Amino acid sequence: GAGVSQSPSNKVTEKGKDVELRCDPISGHTALYWYRQRLGQGLEFLIYFQGNSAPDKSGLPSDRFSAERTGESVSTLTIQRTQQEDSAVYLCASSSAQRRNSPLHFGNGTRLTVT
Amino acid sequence: QQQVKQSPQSLIVQKGGIPIINCAYENTAFDYFPWYQQFPGKGPALLIAIRPDVSEKKEGRFTISFNKSAKQFSLHIMDSQPGDSATYFCAARSNYQLIWGAGTKLIIKP
Repeated sequence: GAGVSQSPSNKVTEKGKDVELRCDPISGHTALYWYRQRLGQGLEFLIYFQGNSAPDKSGLPSDRFSAERTGESVSTLTIQRTQQEDSAVYLCASSSAQRRNSPLHFGNGTRLTVT
Repeated sequence: QQQVKQSPQSLIVQKGGIPIINCAYENTAFDYFPWYQQFPGKGPALLIAIRPDVSEKKEGRFTISFNKSAKQFSLHIMDSQPGDSATYFCAARSNYQLIWGAGTKLIIKP
């Protein structure tokens, strides 16, 4: 595809349920980031993948959050036992690590609402 | 030391005016300073970026001014238009990480 694709675009779930968010990066982009954006706020780093290297998970807020990526393809962010404070837009971005100043290309996000 | 402080939080400017958004940082190891523009319901998109060895960069109506000694940089939008109404984020790069400002919600009144 032409850009980063995220699905679903909206997700409403009940407190305590698990959710899985998906990100399809731009083909050939080896770097992939997940961010969380609460309403009216900035971007909060969650996790970074670069090729087959070990991911940087330093931004994950709790052990309820996990993410996977196989090679340079799709990534999934999983939130277990969702809480109301998890309500936010989850943004995925990819970039080409071959160019040092390669910009981040963002998807339109998944808006998660926990009721 | 990893923070990027952005101001103002919100800004309303009349069409044709020149909104200015400011950012300040502490970490002198930052080596790349992009600005991203975000419209409602969309992800941020790169607008313009600058390296610390340059004091100014212009792309169309958008200009970044960079003051390395003061550790500050700013975005100026010339001849602002209602279509420029969006949230603007400054950022600074350390290795592969972008450290983000909190964002400025800009409204351009017709």
